[in-house]
Amino acid sequence: GDSVTQMEGPVTLSEEAFLTINCTYTATGYPSLFWYVQYPGEGLQLLLKATKADDKGSNKGFEATYRKETTSFHLEKGSVQVSDSAVYFCALRGSFKTIFGAGTRLFVKA
Amino acid sequence: EAGVAQSPRYKIIEKRQSVAFWCNPISGHATLYWYQQILGQGPKLLIQFQNNGVVDDSQLPKDRFSAERLKGVDSTLKIQPAKLEDSAVYLCASSARTGGGVQGADTQYFGPGTRLTVL
Repeated sequence: GDSVTQMEGPVTLSEEAFLTINCTYTATGYPSLFWYVQYPGEGLQLLLKATKADDKGSNKGFEATYRKETTSFHLEKGSVQVSDSAVYFCALRGSFKTIFGAGTRLFVKA
Repeated sequence: EAGVAQSPRYKIIEKRQSVAFWCNPISGHATLYWYQQILGQGPKLLIQFQNNGVVDDSQLPKDRFSAERLKGVDSTLKIQPAKLEDSAVYLCASSARTGGGVQGADTQYFGPGTRLTVL
């Protein structure tokens, strides 16, 4: 069945550091890919999405490119801020169901 | 635009008791989802409604869990009887429609969740 694997956390970075959170997937067909973020005490929010190969999703300085050849959707940000501290979830959506990864917790130190 | 509302936010019960969670989706959203998120894991879909019909309940433990969406708006998720392993956050989400491929049409909007602790 479909699955999502993302790098284990926690990831701890200093402010202004470069961020990469790896995500790979297994799916039949051509799923849509998502990154969701969960800030402390809040619900999940959609951060960005890509619906077909080579699409790049971007939002709030975060980017991820849908790579079909490597079945990956890695999340990147050039300069993280303390306010980016949260849990990040990679997800895929097949025909009807959304499958989430286990989440990666990010801590950003001032 | 009001978001997805859930209540209660927190619930503590003893095993073998019953509990119910309520969700009010974003107005006009046809699709409603219930997810279970165990600590340290990603959300797992329990049940998905399209209007008031069930689209997918393949991962719902039907011997103890039930859900309904009367009139295609609000939804209730019930656990009876609860087990220790049911301790989790129960998330409700809604989207404008089911299925992907249309920009923005399948974006899910999540409520704040209900944290259930079973003692």
